[in-house]
Amino acid sequence: DTEVTQTPKHLVMGMTNKKSLKCEQHMGHRAMYWYKQKAKKPPELMFVYSYEKLSINESVPSRFSPECPNSSLLNLHLHALQPEDSALYLCASSPAMGGARSYEQYFGPGTRLTVT
Amino acid sequence: GENVEQHPSTLSVQEGDSAVIKCTYSDSASNYFPWYKQELGKRPQLIIDIRSNVGEKKDQRIAVTLNKTAKHFSLHITETQPEDSAVYFCAASNEKLTFGTGTRLTIIP
Repeated sequence: DTEVTQTPKHLVMGMTNKKSLKCEQHMGHRAMYWYKQKAKKPPELMFVYSYEKLSINESVPSRFSPECPNSSLLNLHLHALQPEDSALYLCASSPAMGGARSYEQYFGPGTRLTVT
Repeated sequence: GENVEQHPSTLSVQEGDSAVIKCTYSDSASNYFPWYKQELGKRPQLIIDIRSNVGEKKDQRIAVTLNKTAKHFSLHITETQPEDSAVYFCAASNEKLTFGTGTRLTIIP
């Protein structure tokens, strides 16, 4: 399996809802990422997990809560979001992260989130 | 932190002609430079990458060049086809990816 998968494809939620985004990869990659992409903009890094530990948090508001239950799975828990959080949420994975070498990242198809 | 500038923001090219997209980066510690193609509503797709110890890399119709001294890198697409129409992002990495602002490439049949 050479793909990163994400569910759901689309999500509409109210500002008081709690929902979760899911990401899965079976490439044996040990680093996983969450990005946020607004229309006509590049992806913006939110979180990085390396060997199932949170390695980078790009000062993301606490209404976004990441979780890495195992090396293949990555979740993003959402609570009390704002309309401006509407965006495409992309998951990515890479063989590893850190050290002197940078690794290629492969993206999932994304979850298009609308907050009403 | 790293800052990546990308030009042009839009590019229209006649089918069969070549397209060139240019990027500059600020952090001399960046050592990996991927290019992603993103079609409308789709995921960013890694199309080619280059590491700091290499000056040029080619894969069929696409090539990337890197000038570490000037902190420039470029994507070259030859014999363009309609399916090359997409948004292209360059990126620079020193542990984490910093993306350029993107180039919308349109191939005119």
